Amino acid sequence: DSGVTQTPKHLITATGQRVTLRCSPRSGDLSVYWYQQSLDQGLQFLIQYYNGEERAKGNILERFSAQQFPDLHSELNLSSLELGDSALYFCASSPGLAAIGEQFFGPGTRLTVL
Amino acid sequence: AQKITQTQPGMFVQEKEAVTLDCTYDTSDQSYGLFWYKQPSSGEMIFLIYQGSYDEQNATEGRYSLNFQKARKSANLVISASQLGDSAMYFCAMREPHRDDKIIFGKGTRLHILP
Repeated sequence: DSGVTQTPKHLITATGQRVTLRCSPRSGDLSVYWYQQSLDQGLQFLIQYYNGEERAKGNILERFSAQQFPDLHSELNLSSLELGDSALYFCASSPGLAAIGEQFFGPGTRLTVL
Repeated sequence: AQKITQTQPGMFVQEKEAVTLDCTYDTSDQSYGLFWYKQPSSGEMIFLIYQGSYDEQNATEGRYSLNFQKARKSANLVISASQLGDSAMYFCAMREPHRDDKIIFGKGTRLHILP
């Protein structure tokens, strides 16, 4: 158990809908990262927040947005969903910025768009 | 250009044999970190081992060791005495902390351990 929690574990929805994925980092970790794992694109970095502020952006679509709240939990919002958004979405956390050490991954949320 | 290259999409290894999973990386930074993660069929990402670019000795964690060859930009994972439970997808990854904090993953190697 990494200490990172993600809810829900599975999510099935329809095209055009909007969903919210939730992540709670390890206790004390200030950085939260979101990754998308799909069959065709592999594991891709989406976005990072540090202590409530956006820190880095990767291959995140404009239909997607995220935020980190004062209690450090984070939410990833996916809107106008398309079939291709079906993927495993991981949240990871680490203690701070530019730390060399590992990121701790949550169990993931498997999103299926029908 | 790919930052992390894993040239073995799949491998079959007999149980109890040692296995080496290849990984090469590309960076111009002096300070970086290299990781290996395991992803079993259940989907979670399990951290295995970490090597910092300034670490002089190869990292080891139990049956896992990282064969770090800096000049060749190579960071191969060695699993000794493989077990059936080692069957999984293995990802090599890199972090360049002076650029940003994200981890860049390779495409992975699927390892099958045969009884």
